[in-house]
Amino acid sequence: ETAVFQTPNYHVTQVGNEVSFNCKQTLGHDTMYWYKQDSKKLLKIMFSYNNKQLIVNETVPRRFSPQSSDKAHLNLRIKSVEPEDSAVYLCASSSQGYTEVFFGKGTRLTVV
Amino acid sequence: QQKVQQSPESLIVPEGGMASLNCTFSDRNSQYFWWYRQHSGEGPKALMSIFSNGDKKEGRFTAHLNKASLHVSLHIKDSQPSDSALYFCAVSIGTNAYKVIFGKGTHLHVLP
Repeated sequence: ETAVFQTPNYHVTQVGNEVSFNCKQTLGHDTMYWYKQDSKKLLKIMFSYNNKQLIVNETVPRRFSPQSSDKAHLNLRIKSVEPEDSAVYLCASSSQGYTEVFFGKGTRLTVV
Repeated sequence: QQKVQQSPESLIVPEGGMASLNCTFSDRNSQYFWWYRQHSGEGPKALMSIFSNGDKKEGRFTAHLNKASLHVSLHIKDSQPSDSALYFCAVSIGTNAYKVIFGKGTHLHVLP
């Protein structure tokens, strides 16, 4: 049963455009994450928020910016997308850092 | 920097057989270890966590952790075709449970 909802499922855009992805969790968790999964299925953490505060900010290009309005929502904005941004972006949440992380189904971004 | 390596890359087992997946890590201070499973088109789903040396069994799944040898493994008993998926080992960076490194995954194929 899905409890982390991501929109859109897919997005195709041109190089240089801006895109935004939305994520909402209904589990009441305090922590939310964005992960990037590339074409080889490699998973890398990008950002982590705990109670709306940024706690993990990996080395990602500055064109990526997370946005948290409350602890149930964590959006991701990409300004001026590049071809290497093509990937599946997975949103996730957990109650604490060491507890189970629940993932959404992902948003597949294709940059042409 | 934490490195997480999984082996084998791909594994084929017959239905009813035992599947053994391995994971090595480089940070001796790592505290938290998880196994995730990802079916095609879905986000990863947590299978189990292990935080102490030794074995942890949950149904058909047994995780084993040996921090001294920097090794964690997952054993799936009585494998089912529905177990066919991509399996990830995830390891915390030191004691920071919010910052997790995923291995490249093992593709498990269970043949009916």
